[in-house]
Amino acid sequence: DAKTTQPPSMDCAEGRAANLPCNHSTISGNEYVYWYRQIHSQGPQYIIHGLKNNETNEMASLIITEDRKSSTLILPHATLRDTAVYYCIVLTGGSYIPTFGRGTSLIVHP
Amino acid sequence: DAGITQSPRHKVTETGTPVTLRCHQTENHRYMYWYRQDPGHGLRLIHYSYGVKDTDKGEVSDGYSVSRSKTEDFLLTLESATSSQTSVYFCAIRRDTATNYGYTFGSGTRLTVV
Repeated sequence: DAKTTQPPSMDCAEGRAANLPCNHSTISGNEYVYWYRQIHSQGPQYIIHGLKNNETNEMASLIITEDRKSSTLILPHATLRDTAVYYCIVLTGGSYIPTFGRGTSLIVHP
Repeated sequence: DAGITQSPRHKVTETGTPVTLRCHQTENHRYMYWYRQDPGHGLRLIHYSYGVKDTDKGEVSDGYSVSRSKTEDFLLTLESATSSQTSVYFCAIRRDTATNYGYTFGSGTRLTVV
């Protein structure tokens, strides 16, 4: 599976958009980009995933660059409850041993 | 969440005693995983299973064993608990549909070895 790189920490003001970047420059054509988040002491929670098109759901939007070498998770109106560690990973049907890395610690402040 | 439960949620045990953690799923997924999470280390894979009686080691398997006698249950055993095994343990299942290979995690078991 392709390796991902994320900034270790970010902060955002409540009510503003949080844009979390992820670099996956070695991604292959059949690898999906997945985003998870982990709120303190809880298990990681699935947010969104995509292959090459931008995706949106009730939690967030995922923007994948045209060359697919990077992506951005967007939380359009961050709240204090969005404070968490966010993980970006790439997966395929043949991915059976996921590696979550350290992720990005997002702090949303009032 | 999504048919995966861990038990117990919290446990305190003494050094040298055996401990078994249970992960139960209700959705018949083939792949199941045990992770541990410690401050500064993120999620580290202990063992995983790809079917009944089919298991393999992860990056931090020393001191742990697993068993899977039924599709729905994946057990993690600490044969002789040590203080270094104090951690939060997460179980996960892997989804396997045409467009979703994501993972669903349990709520975790907080284990303290004294």
